[in-house]
Amino acid sequence: GESVGLHLPTLSVQEGDNSIINCAYSNSASDYFIWYKQESGKGPQFIIDIRSNMDKRQGQRVTVLLNKTVKHLSLQIAATQPGDSAVYFCAEKGGSTLGRLYFGRGTQLTVWP
Amino acid sequence: DGGITQSPKYLFRKEGQNVTLSCEQNLNHDAMYWYRQDPGQGLRLIYYSQIVNDFQKGDIAEGYSVSREKKESFPLTVTSAQKNPTAFYLCASSIRLTGTEGLAGTKNIQYFGAGTRLSVL
Repeated sequence: GESVGLHLPTLSVQEGDNSIINCAYSNSASDYFIWYKQESGKGPQFIIDIRSNMDKRQGQRVTVLLNKTVKHLSLQIAATQPGDSAVYFCAEKGGSTLGRLYFGRGTQLTVWP
Repeated sequence: DGGITQSPKYLFRKEGQNVTLSCEQNLNHDAMYWYRQDPGQGLRLIYYSQIVNDFQKGDIAEGYSVSREKKESFPLTVTSAQKNPTAFYLCASSIRLTGTEGLAGTKNIQYFGAGTRLSVL
């Protein structure tokens, strides 16, 4: 079956440092991946996505890297700010399903001043 | 203002009672979803609907029921059969993927509401 997991449940960084959040997936047929940010008591917000035919995609201060060989996804946040403190989830769309997303457990990112 | 509205923000259920969580969207999306989130865990799919008058069970549908009579609305009922209903419930919507779109790496961003926190009295 499909599963999405994270290597680290928590990550603490100092303000201004770069953050890297990792995600492993098991379904080699997954063709689309999303990163969400969830602040405490709120719903997840879309950050960035990537199709399986790409290795890298950049947004504003964020970069997603996809390594299909080892089924690994990462989210890099440049110059991390206190407002980046949240839980970050990766999600995958399995290639055999009609739009359904499978979510990982999440990583709690804490940014210290 | 386009988006997804969930209500109420907080809800309390007495034992043996059914409660209904509201989810309304004005994004003109065909597909809608209900997820349950427990502390320190990811999102688990309860039910989803790809079109009006049609819905499918997700991974944890037992003790829940839904309806999809209108495109904009996808209410979730937590029945008395759900013995551990305390959780954060999230509703989402997206475009509907059909046929080869589901297999072609087509973007499928799900947009979420602010959630309803359900507790048992």
